[in-house]
Amino acid sequence: GAGVSQTPSNKVTEKGKYVELRCDPISGHTALYWYRQSLGQGPEFLIYFQGTGAADDSGLPNDRFFAVRPEGSVSTLKIQRTERGDSAVYLCASSLNRARSSYEQYFGPGTRLTVT
Amino acid sequence: AQSVTQPDIHITVSEGASLELRCNYSYGATPYLFWYVQSPGQGLQLLLKYFSGDTLVQGIKGFEAEFKRSQSSFNLRKPSVHWSDAAEYFCAVGANDYKLSFGAGTTVTVRA
Repeated sequence: GAGVSQTPSNKVTEKGKYVELRCDPISGHTALYWYRQSLGQGPEFLIYFQGTGAADDSGLPNDRFFAVRPEGSVSTLKIQRTERGDSAVYLCASSLNRARSSYEQYFGPGTRLTVT
Repeated sequence: AQSVTQPDIHITVSEGASLELRCNYSYGATPYLFWYVQSPGQGLQLLLKYFSGDTLVQGIKGFEAEFKRSQSSFNLRKPSVHWSDAAEYFCAVGANDYKLSFGAGTTVTVRA
């Protein structure tokens, strides 16, 4: 079946602009995660959704970052007033929401964000 | 909070040779442990996972990993590497909150 998809694959924006990154999870996966991967680093957790609600947003770096999942499927990560330090690959993952299955996270190819 | 250390940033191995990638974790309880592989331009792919039970776990693509509680380690091994194994490998630990904490990764280069 189809895996996790993310659009766009690449996004170049100017400092101060607003961007939206989209994630379409695997069908039937109720849990969705956003991670950020900076150059030379492993992914870092940003936010976790169970269904439509953000169950844990402790990884969001500041209030310029916000994510939604209004219908419990597609999610959008929104970044306001982008800064050069926001440049990274943003990864989305999804999983079933059942005990250990929640840890078996399937990742999308990521969106590479470059802020100039 | 949990954390993961991958001591080797880059490993070069000859095709057909064995490979071992090191992973050490820090977590107060029994962790859930994972290895992922990331090829250029690709997403992370789960190679194998450990939750409990047998400490030697088998994964896809001929990889295996061994959980050693006394050493807080979860090293990844493959007996004979193929050129297609060239990629970046990430070890991750999961606590009780469904978040994964990743190491910084080890890049594997395979020479002919």
